[in-house]
Amino acid sequence: DAGVIQSPRHEVTEMGQEVTLRCKPISGHDYLFWYRQTMMRGLELLIYFNNNVPIDDSGMPEDRFSAKMPNASFSTLKIQPSEPRDSAVYFCAAPRLFSRETQYFGPGTRLLVL
Amino acid sequence: EDQVTQSPEALRLQEGESSSLNCSYTVSGLRGLFWYRQDPGKGPEFLFTLYSAGEEKEKERLKATLTKKESFLHITAPKPEDSATYLCAVQAGGGSNYKLTFGKGTLLTVNP
Repeated sequence: DAGVIQSPRHEVTEMGQEVTLRCKPISGHDYLFWYRQTMMRGLELLIYFNNNVPIDDSGMPEDRFSAKMPNASFSTLKIQPSEPRDSAVYFCAAPRLFSRETQYFGPGTRLLVL
Repeated sequence: EDQVTQSPEALRLQEGESSSLNCSYTVSGLRGLFWYRQDPGKGPEFLFTLYSAGEEKEKERLKATLTKKESFLHITAPKPEDSATYLCAVQAGGGSNYKLTFGKGTLLTVNP
């Protein structure tokens, strides 16, 4: 158990719709990371938070993507409007207590935009 | 910009046939090099962290080594259950930046 819960596990939507992905790190650590994985580009960092504040969002593709972390145990990644090229697996990762360097990944959300 | 290149992209072995996976990296001051295993439909699972050249770590049939330019994941007498994608990632040193830069992975298939 990696200690990170993601929902939904699968999402199928139509182009133009809003998509919200959710992440709950059980440990409530002060860092949280969002990654996207595709066959072409592999696993890429989108954004990460420290103490609920976004620190580096340089990986966020464009303004259609936004992320929030209202508290230490919850984060959302929103895509509005969604496009077919957003289809990917989105992972949330968090360290565990006493080990900031090592990130533990959730099971991911598989997104398909038609 | 930090970069990680993994080779080969895919590797097929017979059960018991030992081999190595390579991870070459460039990073502005290495804080740590990480190996993960990823099974289909699942998130990456942490295996090892290496911090300095010359360091080695072992877990069952896996041994990870590190030099100043690359890391190897040695698999000794693999079993079919070792089949997975193995990902390498680097974390640059300095400050409170803990972002990981990943390679594209090596897909390992071990045939019985």
